[in-house]
Amino acid sequence: GQSLEQPSEVTAVEGAIVQINCTYQTSGFYGLSWYQQHDGGAPTFLSYNALDGLEETGRFSSFLSRSDSYGYLLLQELQMKDSASYFCAVRPPSFQKLVFGTGTRLLVSP
Amino acid sequence: DAGVTQSPTHLIKTRGQQVTLRCSPKSGHDTVSWYQQALGQGPQFIFQYYEEEERQRGNFPDRFSGHQFPNYSSELNVNALLLGDSALYLCASSATARGETQYFGPGTRLLVL
Repeated sequence: GQSLEQPSEVTAVEGAIVQINCTYQTSGFYGLSWYQQHDGGAPTFLSYNALDGLEETGRFSSFLSRSDSYGYLLLQELQMKDSASYFCAVRPPSFQKLVFGTGTRLLVSP
Repeated sequence: DAGVTQSPTHLIKTRGQQVTLRCSPKSGHDTVSWYQQALGQGPQFIFQYYEEEERQRGNFPDRFSGHQFPNYSSELNVNALLLGDSALYLCASSATARGETQYFGPGTRLLVL
């Protein structure tokens, strides 16, 4: 099966940089995705790592290391609107579903 | 370009009742997946529809069933509602059955009393 663990909550101030980690136990998967979800809203796709290494999309970057069973989402120049829950997710082989992590609630303060 | 749409946005039912939730995928998408998200947790996969057939299913009882129509829209039906079925039900669509990038709808918040 698949198990993805994330810190439950992270706090930071505007303008700062924050890293949200995702450690996993899985027999294999087709890449690591990251989703953002504001309270009451839908998960929104942020980033995808098919291969090991760093992917950069504007203020957001995501990293994957399969050998370390580890990935992270890096948010730079934090803004108040970044306050949300962030989920890592994988698609197991031979399955069409996404398996989501436990989720991290990011609180950005002035 | 309309994204994924779901209806209704909110619903209140009582135990034992039945409910039908609806989803229209993003334009150009042919695969629809349904997820259940309890408060404070990540979405849990219910099932996926492609070419009007249920292709894969998560660990949900047979009380959860679905359908996909020729226009790719989909319905989720839940029978004999339990209090524990209270959750946000999310529909996600994708262009192929690969599913790496799934686009989610706003969800239907179901409350079972």
